[in-house]
Amino acid sequence: IAGITQAPTSQILAAGRRMTLRCTQDMRHNAMYWYRQDLGLGLRLIHYSNTAGTTGKGEVPDGYSVSRANTDDFPLTLASAVPSQTSVYFCASSLRGGYNEQFFGPGTRLTVL
Amino acid sequence: QQQVKQSPQSLIVQKGGISIINCAYENTAFDYFPWYQQFPGKGPALLIAIRPDVSEKKEGRFTISFNKSAKQFSLHIMDSQPGDSATYFCAASRRDDKIIFGKGTRLHILP
Repeated sequence: IAGITQAPTSQILAAGRRMTLRCTQDMRHNAMYWYRQDLGLGLRLIHYSNTAGTTGKGEVPDGYSVSRANTDDFPLTLASAVPSQTSVYFCASSLRGGYNEQFFGPGTRLTVL
Repeated sequence: QQQVKQSPQSLIVQKGGISIINCAYENTAFDYFPWYQQFPGKGPALLIAIRPDVSEKKEGRFTISFNKSAKQFSLHIMDSQPGDSATYFCAASRRDDKIIFGKGTRLHILP
């Protein structure tokens, strides 16, 4: 049982390049989330999806896009990376929102130069 | 607008001591308050959670105290151990809504 997997583990990216962070879960959870974690700022929600086919904006959505074509996958795309997007990115899933435990992936460390 | 305020930002406690992390929330509609624990290089994981119908919940050495009138809740770690060294996030949410996380507390337990 893998839970949530993220790829790549880490990446160094030139500014202006396009990048897709991958996230896959095998728990058949309805809800999925993307967070970025920066020192002193905690976990900030980028985008979320309550169910396949729907997405929503979180606290810091600018510069990022997501899609939810099926239950298992929730990729995060940076269309044109900027240095301020240097961060650790976590994907998470839960059975539903609210009261349900969120399960986090191992994270992707992204550096934009 | 920060809906969940967490303090302190960092905390150093001697082995065997009590670690206390405090959180305050603004939205009275919140009715679920989880704590997540994150070890270095790992994703956060649920540690313990409380609903506002009780004032305290204990799981082993970890206790959540909840004060609904003050809109505050706290995590107490009794007999703190070096293995408890991690970052702790408090959070709040409503049914079927997104979880709002605090900014985290980096806890270090001295051996």
